[in-house]
Amino acid sequence: SQKIEQNSEALNIQEGKTATLTCNYTNYSPAYLQWYRQDPGRGPVFLLLIRENEKEKRKERLKVTFDTTLKQSLFHITASQPADSATYLCAPWNSGNTPLVFGKGTRLSVIA
Amino acid sequence: DAGVTQSPTHLIKTRGQHVTLRCSPISGHKSVSWYQQVLGQGPQFIFQYYEKEERGRGNFPDRFSARQFPNYSSELNVNALLLGDSALYLCASSTIQSANYGYTFGSGTRLTVV
Repeated sequence: SQKIEQNSEALNIQEGKTATLTCNYTNYSPAYLQWYRQDPGRGPVFLLLIRENEKEKRKERLKVTFDTTLKQSLFHITASQPADSATYLCAPWNSGNTPLVFGKGTRLSVIA
Repeated sequence: DAGVTQSPTHLIKTRGQHVTLRCSPISGHKSVSWYQQVLGQGPQFIFQYYEKEERGRGNFPDRFSARQFPNYSSELNVNALLLGDSALYLCASSTIQSANYGYTFGSGTRLTVV
């Protein structure tokens, strides 16, 4: 069955450093991969979507890569700030007619 | 423009009771999905509806049901509540036509079963 693994449950980094979060999936061939941010007690907020034919996508301090051979996506936050502290969720996806399925998430803490 | 609205925000029910959760999608979004999120886990997919038809169902028992109305709002019903149904229930709306914008989630309904 489809499996989504995010590298660790929690990641602590120093302010100003680059945070790198990993999402691995098995038994699945998604055409897209979505990343979301979730704050405690709130719904997830969409950040970025990358297509299988895109190697890399950037949005401000965020960068996402998508390697369909490794079945892996990397999510980077450069020049991290305490306000970036949240849980980040990855979701491999095929199309609007298929459900969006999430990994467990990685809780990022950026320490000032 | 209003985002995805869910009601109620919090709810306490007793084991064995029934609950109905409501969701209004963003105007123009015809697809609504429901998720259950327990503490420390990612959202688990329950149902997806598009144009009032069920398009997908996750691995949940038949006690869970949903429907979508002509105005694209949706209800999630859970019968015979168990303690394990305590969770944050999230609704998300999306437009099937464009993949670029992801899903927009509501703030959820916190259900506590005692």
